[in-house]
Amino acid sequence: AQTIHQWPVAEIKAVGSPLSLGCTIKGKSSPNLYWYWQATGGTLQQLFYSITVGQVESVVQLNLSASRPKDDQFILSTEKLLLSHSGFYLCAWSPRLGQDTQYFGPGTRLLVL
Amino acid sequence: GEQVEQLPSILRVQEGSSASINCSYEDSASNYFPWYKQEPGENPKLIIDIRSNMERKQIQELIVLLDKKAKRFSLHITDTQPGDSAMYFCAASASSSFSKLVFGQGTSLSVVP
Repeated sequence: AQTIHQWPVAEIKAVGSPLSLGCTIKGKSSPNLYWYWQATGGTLQQLFYSITVGQVESVVQLNLSASRPKDDQFILSTEKLLLSHSGFYLCAWSPRLGQDTQYFGPGTRLLVL
Repeated sequence: GEQVEQLPSILRVQEGSSASINCSYEDSASNYFPWYKQEPGENPKLIIDIRSNMERKQIQELIVLLDKKAKRFSLHITDTQPGDSAMYFCAASASSSFSKLVFGQGTSLSVVP
């Protein structure tokens, strides 16, 4: 069975500080991976997707970047946090090649002060 | 790009009655329509989905209807229970090498005794 892990569980960071959030999936080779952002009380916004190692596509520009250094790892980062970056960050995966079902990780809560 | 409208934003029903949530989409190429349930502080969990080759799908008390001509789909929860209280999100995507899921704004469902 596939398991998806995100770290950290929660973060409180200062405006202007850097950020790195991680996502690891086990039990599935070569998955499609996605990053989502959810404001408190809001909907889910897809930020990035990756279909293979080293390849990441941006869906929405929010002064964030993403990388996929390994087949099972997806990283979300920024050098300077904004207040508007606060929210719930969710990693998701789907099987490769045409299957659309996405499964979400447990998420990371971020508060920027 | 695709946009998904979801109504109502708030829904309050009596325990044992039915609850209905409606979504509409714009892109006629969309062919996959999942529904997610999100409880407070938790990640969204897939509860049911439907593809464009179907008009109706049922899993226990959950029924999804799809009207491709009208570009509408809906979730119906029969015999609601207090445990059904949560946020519900509809989404739509067009099949490709990756899945760009576009989510509706969400419906907060409360089931009262």
